[in-house]
Amino acid sequence: DTEVTQTPKHLVMGMTNKKSLKCEQHMGHRAMYWYKQKAKKPPELMFVYSYEKLSINESVPSRFSPECPNSSLLNLHLHALQPEDSALYLCASTTTGGLSPLHFGNGTRLTVT
Amino acid sequence: DAKTTQPPSMDCAEGRAANLPCNHSTISGNEYVYWYRQIHSQGPQYIIHGLKNNETNEMASLIITEDRKSSTLILPHATLRDTAVYYCIVRVGNTDKLIFGTGTRLQVFP
Repeated sequence: DTEVTQTPKHLVMGMTNKKSLKCEQHMGHRAMYWYKQKAKKPPELMFVYSYEKLSINESVPSRFSPECPNSSLLNLHLHALQPEDSALYLCASTTTGGLSPLHFGNGTRLTVT
Repeated sequence: DAKTTQPPSMDCAEGRAANLPCNHSTISGNEYVYWYRQIHSQGPQYIIHGLKNNETNEMASLIITEDRKSSTLILPHATLRDTAVYYCIVRVGNTDKLIFGTGTRLQVFP
C-alpha cells in the first residue's frame, strides 16, 4: 500500500475517447507530479504542480491536460490519445521547496486502442 | 540539468552486499542525490538520499565521493526481494524537478 492513491489501476480507451486519471494524497504535500513510464524505461517527468499551480510542463502534448483542483487531488485529462501513449502513468507528491523525497502511487496502466 | 549514469544490470548472491554505482559528474553543489527502486508493476519506492555526507538508514547506506561526482548505494545483505530496478536521481537545483536516470536492474540469486 502507498500513501498516494491512483485510480483507476487499469484503463483501456479508444483514440476518440475522453478519460481522466486521478491521484489523491493526504500527507499535506503541496507539490504533485505526473510521470509517464514506457515498458523497460525510466519514468519521464510530465508535469509538476506547486501550491495548486502548474510550475513545470516538460513540453507535453496538449492531448494531456493536467488539473489540480485542490492540494490533495491531481487529475490528468486525456483526449484524442495515440496508441504510443500507452504506458504506466505515475503520480507522486512531496513537500515544496524542500528536500524531501517523492512518494509515488502504483500508477495507472493505460492502453490506447 | 544534472544527469546520472548507471550500469544497466548487476547480479548479487543472496546474503552478500550489493554495491550499486552511480555517476553524476555534472552535479551542482546544492543538488541532492536520491535513490529509488522499482519492483515490477509498482511505483518507485524511496530508499535514501544525501548531499555530501554518507548516509545510512534501515534499508541501505549511501556513500558519496568527496568531489560528489559519484555515489554508491549499498544493500548490506541482499535478499531475493531486493531484485528490482534501482534508480539514482539528482534533484535539479532548488527546483521541484527530479529526473530519473536509466537505472540498474539488480538480480539477486539464491
